Amino acid sequence: AQKVTQAQTEISVVEKEDVTLDCVYETRDTTYYLFWYKQPPSGELVFLIRRNSFDEQNEISGRYSWNFQKSTSSFNFTITASQVVDSAVYFCALSSNNAGNMLTFGGGTRLMVKP
Amino acid sequence: KAGVTQTPRYLIKTRGQQVTLSCSPISGHRSVSWYQQTPGQGLQFLFEYFSETQRNKGNFPGRFSGRQFSNSRSEMNVSTLELGDSALYLCASSSPGLAIAEQFFGPGTRLTVL
Repeated sequence: AQKVTQAQTEISVVEKEDVTLDCVYETRDTTYYLFWYKQPPSGELVFLIRRNSFDEQNEISGRYSWNFQKSTSSFNFTITASQVVDSAVYFCALSSNNAGNMLTFGGGTRLMVKP
Repeated sequence: KAGVTQTPRYLIKTRGQQVTLSCSPISGHRSVSWYQQTPGQGLQFLFEYFSETQRNKGNFPGRFSGRQFSNSRSEMNVSTLELGDSALYLCASSSPGLAIAEQFFGPGTRLTVL
């Protein structure tokens, strides 16, 4: 069985602070994919990143960066210099070759960025 | 490219009724997945359709069913609605190749069961 845990249910920061959202996953599959999605108040899930289990390189995209560590089964997401527009619920998700396109989501982390 | 569209956006039904939700994937995408989002259970996978065939199914009762048409549009049906079916239903499309592709989500249909 697959499982994704986002221990932080809610985080509040002041604008321009850096913030890291944690994600820990469990899977028995050796080939798997990890995702991050953003859900603003409108409800639509916005794709942010996909990372496969064989690629442990960290990735940076503007103010966003991701740290994938297989040794600790973690795929953390950092927002640098947060902005009010970053306020949303962020979901980490997992899929594997044995599960096809089925995504297993974590419980989500609600990020509130205050001006 | 137009994104994933879902209709209707909002729906109010009463217990015992049935409901049909519609999803149009991104042009060229052949895989459509459905998810239910509730405050208590979070995001849960319902099923996935690919080339008009159900390829994967989550752990939901048989009241939840779906289908996919030759143009990749998909519908989801819930029969004998229960109060607990109140949720945001999200549809996602992807263009699967050899690897698991990213899924693009629609805005969702918010179903309220009274």
